[in-house]
Amino acid sequence: GNSVTQMEGPVTLSEEAFLTINCTYTATGYPSLFWYVQYPGEGLQLLLKATKADDKGSNKGFEATYRKETTSFHLEKGSVQVSDSAVYFCALSGITGGFKTIFGAGTRLFVKA
Amino acid sequence: DTEVTQTPKHLVMGMTNKKSLKCEQHMGHRAMYWYKQKAKKPPELMFVYSYEKLSINESVPSRFSPECPNSSLLNLHLHALQPEDSALYLCASSQLRGDKTEAFFGQGTRLTVV
Repeated sequence: GNSVTQMEGPVTLSEEAFLTINCTYTATGYPSLFWYVQYPGEGLQLLLKATKADDKGSNKGFEATYRKETTSFHLEKGSVQVSDSAVYFCALSGITGGFKTIFGAGTRLFVKA
Repeated sequence: DTEVTQTPKHLVMGMTNKKSLKCEQHMGHRAMYWYKQKAKKPPELMFVYSYEKLSINESVPSRFSPECPNSSLLNLHLHALQPEDSALYLCASSQLRGDKTEAFFGQGTRLTVV
């Protein structure tokens, strides 16, 4: 079936550290891939997306590259800030079965000052 | 305008009450969704409407009744809920194009059933 697997959290980093959150997917067809972020008490915000192989999505210093050969979409940021503390969800959609968005379990990030 | 607006933000209801959650978007999206999110879990899809017609019901109990009055509005009618239905209810919308399937989410309604 179609699924998304993310590294388990929580991830705790010091400010200005490098961030990587791993994400791999299983899908029939050619999905679009997304990273969403959820701050405490809020809804989900789209952070970045990629719609085809080798596309790089980027936003607010975050980046992720759609790797079809490894079925991965890892999230990276060179220097995290305290304000980046949130839950990050990797997701896919646009595959057979309509426009459902399938989410990974989420990775909680804590950034210490 | 890239907003999906949900009301109310918070709702406390008894198990015999009837209430409704409302969602509105003005992005011209023809797909709208209801998700349920429990603490420390990802959102779970409940319903999908495309072109104002219900296209997916993920085996949701009948005490949850969705309605899509027009292309901008989505309601979720609640009746005889159980305490375990307490959760964050998220509305989302998206286009129905293969290259633009990202969902835009509202801030959610935090529901407590007492």
